[in-house]
Amino acid sequence: GENVEQHPSTLSVQEGDSAVIKCTYSDSASNYFPWYKQELGKRPQLIIDIRSNVGEKKDQRIAVTLNKTAKHFSLHITETQPEDSAVYFCAASMRGDRGSTLGRLYFGRGTQLTVWP
Amino acid sequence: NAGVTQTPKFRVLKTGQSMTLLCAQDMNHEYMYWYRQDPGMGLRLIHYSVGEGTTAKGEVPDGYNVSRLKKQNFLLGLESAAPSQTSVYFCASSLRLAGGPMAGELFFGEGSRLTVL
Repeated sequence: GENVEQHPSTLSVQEGDSAVIKCTYSDSASNYFPWYKQELGKRPQLIIDIRSNVGEKKDQRIAVTLNKTAKHFSLHITETQPEDSAVYFCAASMRGDRGSTLGRLYFGRGTQLTVWP
Repeated sequence: NAGVTQTPKFRVLKTGQSMTLLCAQDMNHEYMYWYRQDPGMGLRLIHYSVGEGTTAKGEVPDGYNVSRLKKQNFLLGLESAAPSQTSVYFCASSLRLAGGPMAGELFFGEGSRLTVL
């Protein structure tokens, strides 16, 4: 199976509503979970991240929650605005291959969020 | 500061041709990465480097080679391009190893769109 699964692949909401994107991961040792936003034709940019010693983190209208037991984390956007329309990627750190001490960051497949005015 | 710069931004190749994508960063980052982005597939790591003179394979390394002769530059080469390598390529750099115990933000370039006919 995939290292990081992201749902839904597309999400449409009305301006002012909330949006939630969920990701699950496979490695119980994962300790870093960033979220990237990619506007059409632009580069991905970090919007928020969380580490495994924290259950929730907020930054204005954006929040991320982490459930280590269930191995899933979610992005919550409140009071959505048209400028929130973009593709959102979750990612999770994973241990390196057997014999390697180098970890890797694995990305989900992305969620296309559309906010209708 | 320019951040992460990629050249060229667009390129069309014929099957079997070779080319090199250049990535340059001015943030003095040790770690650099090459990702490819395909519709519905998220960002997949091709190769990465943990410092000048070092390179390592990522998730999808076949058909690509890389070199890091200078700390600020990371080159991605395609020796014999195939249509399956049609994609958008993103270079990224970071202060700490992505996926490592103290992982932090990835800074992405603007992307290079490659089409192989």
